Amino acid sequence: QKEVEQNSGPLSVPEGAIASLNCTYSDRGSQSFFWYRQYSGKSPELIMFIYSNGDKEDGRFTAQLNKASQYVSLLIRDSQPSDSATYLCAVNGNKLVFGAGTILRVKS
Amino acid sequence: GAGVSQSPSNKVTEKGKDVELRCDPISGHTALYWYRQSLGQGLEFLIYFQGNSAPDKSGLPSDRFSAERTGGSVSTLTIQRTQQEDSAVYLCASSRAPRKSTDTQYFGPGTRLTVL
Repeated sequence: QKEVEQNSGPLSVPEGAIASLNCTYSDRGSQSFFWYRQYSGKSPELIMFIYSNGDKEDGRFTAQLNKASQYVSLLIRDSQPSDSATYLCAVNGNKLVFGAGTILRVKS
Repeated sequence: GAGVSQSPSNKVTEKGKDVELRCDPISGHTALYWYRQSLGQGLEFLIYFQGNSAPDKSGLPSDRFSAERTGGSVSTLTIQRTQQEDSAVYLCASSRAPRKSTDTQYFGPGTRLTVL
């Protein structure tokens, strides 16, 4: 089992819809969770992080964490074509481990 | 302030040659990380430097790979006798407080290495 798992996608959503990106992790001791966005040919950039169970909202982005289920998700409301990218989940236990990423395509 | 910088942005080399990739972290960041990302793949951890501590080399794929960090700032990743499977984007990241669970890594633009 991989330490951090993501569906590779692509996930296709129409413009204006909610995109839901999911990530599961294996280390129950993990304490912090990060979502990075990576445009094609570019380096990853941090979108947001979450440490506590529940939801954390930042603009159109909402991160959701459920430590009991070892599950973290990212919701993107009112998806735009500019949101089309690969989204990387990263989990910090003893070290930061990245998932392979989910490709998101927002169709106009 | 300036972000993480890397050079060169692109490097094309012939199989068997040595290459050096450079990373300049964000000022004040004590931790520095090297990752490799092959086409369409996730990030593969290579090596981690923290202050004056011995580096965590657990991710280096072979003894052809080495890295150093001079003066606690700039780092150089060296690949000796390059092979075609070394072709990838090499990403450097830095962070301020790696002992804290809240620590956040910031990435440089990467070096795209192509081994012919």
